[in-house]
Amino acid sequence: AQKITQTQPGMFVQEKEAVTLDCTYDTSDQSYGLFWYKQPSSGEMIFLIYQGSYDEQNATEGRYSLNFQKARKSANLVISASQLGDSAMYFCAMRDQTYNQGGKLIFGQGTELSVKP
Amino acid sequence: NAGVTQTPKFRVLKTGQSMTLLCAQDMNHEYMYWYRQDPGMGLRLIHYSVGEGTTAKGEVPDGYNVSRLKKQNFLLGLESAAPSQTSVYFCASSYGHSYNEQFFGPGTRLTVL
Repeated sequence: AQKITQTQPGMFVQEKEAVTLDCTYDTSDQSYGLFWYKQPSSGEMIFLIYQGSYDEQNATEGRYSLNFQKARKSANLVISASQLGDSAMYFCAMRDQTYNQGGKLIFGQGTELSVKP
Repeated sequence: NAGVTQTPKFRVLKTGQSMTLLCAQDMNHEYMYWYRQDPGMGLRLIHYSVGEGTTAKGEVPDGYNVSRLKKQNFLLGLESAAPSQTSVYFCASSYGHSYNEQFFGPGTRLTVL
């Protein structure tokens, strides 16, 4: 069965510093997609970054980068130069790309990031 | 574009009452999903649809029914609400089933007393 594990329930980081949020996954599929979403206190789910299992380079989107280590089955999110507005819950998710399964997302339990001024 | 919208935003029910949550998307997406989010947990899939007129069960389907009569709408029904269904419900949609991100609605906070 596919599974996402986020082992850090909460993290603190000083403003302007970088922070890494951990995510490990378990799948027997060769083809899969990994996503990170941000959920601020207002509750909406905001897509941040995507990494495909066949992508050779780590994905980057502005201050977000995904440290993808396929052999270790890890997909850590790195946020550079943290800002106060980065304080939120962060979810790692894997897309089930099994045929006829609808491409549902499997989520980890989340990491709550707090950025200190 | 409004993206994905959900109606209502908040609702309080008594045990045994019924209700329908409406999700609408204006992006012409084929795939639509209903998730629930409970405290301390990630989102879990209730039901999903891969196209108009089709629905399928997800991870936690018991106590819920869905319908996709129109491509842009995906309805989630609770026939007889239970306190265990107190949760935040998210609808999502996507163009494809593999490499495309899912776009989420703002969520519906449901409390069952």
